[in-house]
Amino acid sequence: DTAVSQTPKYLVTQMGNDKSIKCEQNLGHDTMYWYKQDSKKFLKIMFSYNNKELIINETVPNRFSPKSPDKAHLNLHINSLELGDSAVYFCASSQALAGYLKQYFGPGTRLTVT
Amino acid sequence: GIQVEQSPPDLILQEGANSTLRCNFSDSVNNLQWFHQNPWGQLINLFYIPSGTKQNGRLSATTVATERYSLLYISSSQTTDSGVYFCAASSGTYKYIFGTGTRLKVLA
Repeated sequence: DTAVSQTPKYLVTQMGNDKSIKCEQNLGHDTMYWYKQDSKKFLKIMFSYNNKELIINETVPNRFSPKSPDKAHLNLHINSLELGDSAVYFCASSQALAGYLKQYFGPGTRLTVT
Repeated sequence: GIQVEQSPPDLILQEGANSTLRCNFSDSVNNLQWFHQNPWGQLINLFYIPSGTKQNGRLSATTVATERYSLLYISSSQTTDSGVYFCAASSGTYKYIFGTGTRLKVLA
């Protein structure tokens, strides 16, 4: 009955590899997000999709490419991984109602690049 | 864009004590949330509170949007309250800006 789920929970990989993180929500929300949390716990938005359309694209290297096959899924693909990509990546979702953007977060994916 | 500042950065309490966490934001906001990140890393939404006051058990929150701040009150703290508390604000868009958090440790 998990509301927002992510796979995998842990990802250890070498520099230069390509990897994907998957996110699914069963809340019926229209909007999904990807956040990056660094080692100092700072949370920063990367992308947001509303009804499968990209609406937020922060200053993120183009090695990061989100894909939303449908409203319930938002995946993150990362090419040519670098040491600096090591972080915890969180997926979140919210209803797309003006004035009511309460977010629900997934459990996070801890990415370690060696 | 909006800047969000939280204070104090760190807080240590004895079990049973009360505390107030503060979130200041630099511009008017339409959306404001408080989250608790537990020691296992899970982010739990505590309150969605763009204005007014809400209560949920031992926790309550107040946002005074006109004065650009929000407060989170924790009463009778328990060790399970330990973790990092974040506020996040947005000004009518989907882009939430998170504060740097308050790290709370409750001692038994």
